[in-house]
Amino acid sequence: QKEVEQNSGPLSVPEGAIASLNCTYSDRGSQSFFWYRQYSGKSPELIMFIYSNGDKEDGRFTAQLNKASQYVSLLIRDSQPSDSATYLCAANNAGGTSYGKLTFGQGTILTVHP
Amino acid sequence: DTEVTQTPKHLVMGMTNKKSLKCEQHMGHRAMYWYKQKAKKPPELMFVYSYEKLSINESVPSRFSPECPNSSLLNLHLHALQPEDSALYLCASSQERQGVFASTDTQYFGPGTRLTVL
Repeated sequence: QKEVEQNSGPLSVPEGAIASLNCTYSDRGSQSFFWYRQYSGKSPELIMFIYSNGDKEDGRFTAQLNKASQYVSLLIRDSQPSDSATYLCAANNAGGTSYGKLTFGQGTILTVHP
Repeated sequence: DTEVTQTPKHLVMGMTNKKSLKCEQHMGHRAMYWYKQKAKKPPELMFVYSYEKLSINESVPSRFSPECPNSSLLNLHLHALQPEDSALYLCASSQERQGVFASTDTQYFGPGTRLTVL
């Protein structure tokens, strides 16, 4: 079983809609979760991180964490074509390893069409 | 300023060449990382440096040799690479305090070096 799992997509949403990206993790020792956006040919760019149960909002982005269900999600409100990218979910301390190690999911490809 | 810089942006090398990738950050971060990313795959951790000391080596072949000359610089020396080593090499840094990683330490990535091994 992979430690961090994401649906690879592609996820296609119309412009202005809410995009919902999901991630599950297997190790309850994982404490923090990070969402990165990666455009084709570019490096990952941090969107936000979350470590407490509940919601965390930053502009159009909301991260949600449910430790009981081992589930993390990212909601993008008012999706724009410029949001089209691969979204990577990463867990810190996955598998009981050092906090210095991020374990990434496979990434979800998001396409926002006009 | 959350900038991590990497040079060169692109590198083409033969299997007998020796080359180096460079990474620099001026955020005062004390942890630095090398990742390898193949197409359509997530980044894979290679090495972690904490306070200029190698903290994690993810069983990387010896043809990759990391070096951390000071807290702002990280190098990756390449020798006798194989074509399958062609990938995007990413450097990242995070704050880390007093030699202790915290679960909330955020890693910031540089733009990467696109490496092609012929």
